Amino acid sequence: AQSVTQPDIHITVSEGASLELRCNYSYGATPYLFWYVQSPGQGLQLLLKYFSGDTLVQGIKGFEAEFKRSQSSFNLRKPSVHWSDAAEYFCAVVFLNTGNQFYFGTGTSLTVIP
Amino acid sequence: DAGVIQSPRHEVTEMGQEVTLRCKPISGHNSLFWYRQTMMRGLELLIYFNNNVPIDDSGMPEDRFSAKMPNASFSTLKIQPSEPRDSAVYFCASRKLATSTDTQYFGPGTRLTVL
Repeated sequence: AQSVTQPDIHITVSEGASLELRCNYSYGATPYLFWYVQSPGQGLQLLLKYFSGDTLVQGIKGFEAEFKRSQSSFNLRKPSVHWSDAAEYFCAVVFLNTGNQFYFGTGTSLTVIP
Repeated sequence: DAGVIQSPRHEVTEMGQEVTLRCKPISGHNSLFWYRQTMMRGLELLIYFNNNVPIDDSGMPEDRFSAKMPNASFSTLKIQPSEPRDSAVYFCASRKLATSTDTQYFGPGTRLTVL
């Protein structure tokens, strides 16, 4: 069955430190991959997406993610975290042969220490 | 573009009452999703529609939940009767079905509290 795993439920980093949030997916079909951010009381906002081409994609707010097919991963990174980055982050995947259904990970909650 | 519009933003009701949540997708989008988010279960897909037709409702928790999409610009999620365990944030999202690489666009959510 298709699934998306975010192994880290909660991460705490200091402001200015680097960040990496992990995302793994299972299933053999071609994936389209997305990262979303959710601030408290808000809906989900798209950070970036990957569907083909360069496996390193740039997103908004200084985030980037790298697709590694061999590891079935799509980890989100940011070189220097800002206090405003504290939020919940969701990885999602659409598989080419399943068309329209998005599969979301359980989310990673990010706390930023001043 | 106004984005996905959901109403009400907050709903407080008593157990046993009927609750109706509303969603207006982005104009031109022909796929619509209803999600429920709780601390315990995270983000769950309840049902989604393509071209106003329900495609997968396997996530609908039980018969108390029903969803309709009478036209391309409006959908409802109804809970009857409501129970305290239905308390959650309910999100609606839409996208263009023909553009498989496009994201879903989420509404701001409806926070439901059932007392």
